Amino acid sequence: SYDLTQPVSVSVALGQAATITCGADKIITKNVHWYQQKPGQAPVLVIYRDNNRPSGIPDRFSGSKSWSAATLTINRVQAADEADYYCQVWDSHVIFGGGTKLTVL
Amino acid sequence: QVKLQESGPGLVKPSETLSLTCGVSGDSISNTYWWTWVRQPPGKGLEWIGEIFHNGATNYTPSLKSRLAISLDKTKNQFSLTLTSVTASDAAVYYCARGGSNWRFEYWGQGALVTVSS
Repeated sequence: SYDLTQPVSVSVALGQAATITCGADKIITKNVHWYQQKPGQAPVLVIYRDNNRPSGIPDRFSGSKSWSAATLTINRVQAADEADYYCQVWDSHVIFGGGTKLTVL
Repeated sequence: QVKLQESGPGLVKPSETLSLTCGVSGDSISNTYWWTWVRQPPGKGLEWIGEIFHNGATNYTPSLKSRLAISLDKTKNQFSLTLTSVTASDAAVYYCARGGSNWRFEYWGQGALVTVSS
């Protein structure tokens, strides 16, 4: 099976940049999507197809990808960015990463 | 504006059947999207469990395939999930979502908490 590996947690100081990785074999061949989920809420799509932002998502959010990892970068982190973040691809079926808890210090 | 809304019992007894419905507004389930169910056990991550295309084609996660069915009701513009023989491990928040291009999920329901207990 195809597995997406995310760090369990990432901490970042307010106003700094946060990076969350999503590792997988040959992920460069996949379309990677990223979701933000706050407690008690449904996930929200923040990046689709590697590096595209849906309408309404601040340009502080960006995505990139290499051969074996996709990365979500959040610049100038705000307190409101504290949430769980999930990467997602399709490989014969939908696959989610395990999720990363972003803590803003 | 596309909206999805889950509905169904919040409590199911072990060994019984879990049934949830996702009502869709602002879009037609006859359009070419994958209408999807995702669940999230308490304190855990997102788990894709299955999807149905507008023509009725389905895909299920292998671990649930023998117990799971997803169906469309075009007259009511909704789709449904049925999971048989539930156990405590099926307790979760169940989300319905619309799978768009490249299987990205731009629209989600608010989630329905299902508890499994006698």
